[in-house]
Amino acid sequence: NAGVTQTPKFQVLKTGQSMTLQCAQDMNHEYMSWYRQDPGMGLRLIHYSVGAGITDQGEVPNGYNVSRSTTEDFPLRLLSAAPSQTSVYFCASSSFPITDTQYFGPGTRLTVL
Amino acid sequence: KNQVEQSPQSLIILEGKNCTLQCNYTVSPFSNLRWYKQDTGRGPVSLTIMTFSENTKSNGRYTATLDADTKQSSLHITASQLSDSASYICVVSEWGSQGNLIFGKGTKLSVKP
Repeated sequence: NAGVTQTPKFQVLKTGQSMTLQCAQDMNHEYMSWYRQDPGMGLRLIHYSVGAGITDQGEVPNGYNVSRSTTEDFPLRLLSAAPSQTSVYFCASSSFPITDTQYFGPGTRLTVL
Repeated sequence: KNQVEQSPQSLIILEGKNCTLQCNYTVSPFSNLRWYKQDTGRGPVSLTIMTFSENTKSNGRYTATLDADTKQSSLHITASQLSDSASYICVVSEWGSQGNLIFGKGTKLSVKP
């Protein structure tokens, strides 16, 4: 099993550009989520999904879109990148959100100029 | 407001020594408490998950304790190794929520030879 994979590992964008961060898991987990991690702050939830076709907003959803067409994939879209979105982004999955072990991907380091 | 506070912010110890990290939370209603280890440049990795009824849980040289009455937890590391150098993150989940995991800011541990 590859676990949770994320691509790309690094990305530099200009203000206003759009892009998609990819996340995939091969553990047949229903629950997937996206976090951002900024210096001096804890991980903050952007969006999450409890199954294919079901998504919901987390703590900091503005400027991001998600969709979940399959159990395996959960891409995060930046609609119009802003410098405030410079961060490290982590995708995570688990078989049940509240009681089960959560597995994280290796992260995507995004810089918006 | 649901919060998770960790102390100390950072800690330096000598290889072979023990250390204890603290976590206080105000999350209610409580579901479970997790400790994660995050190596620099990597995603968090789960160490332990404890529910309301569990007071202690071990994972090798890592032992977590939970006092649900005082809303405190600790992570004790025994006979530290250089590879223990990492950030340790306390995470509390809220009962009844689908995705609401509240992350602490972490304690950065450095183990020196």
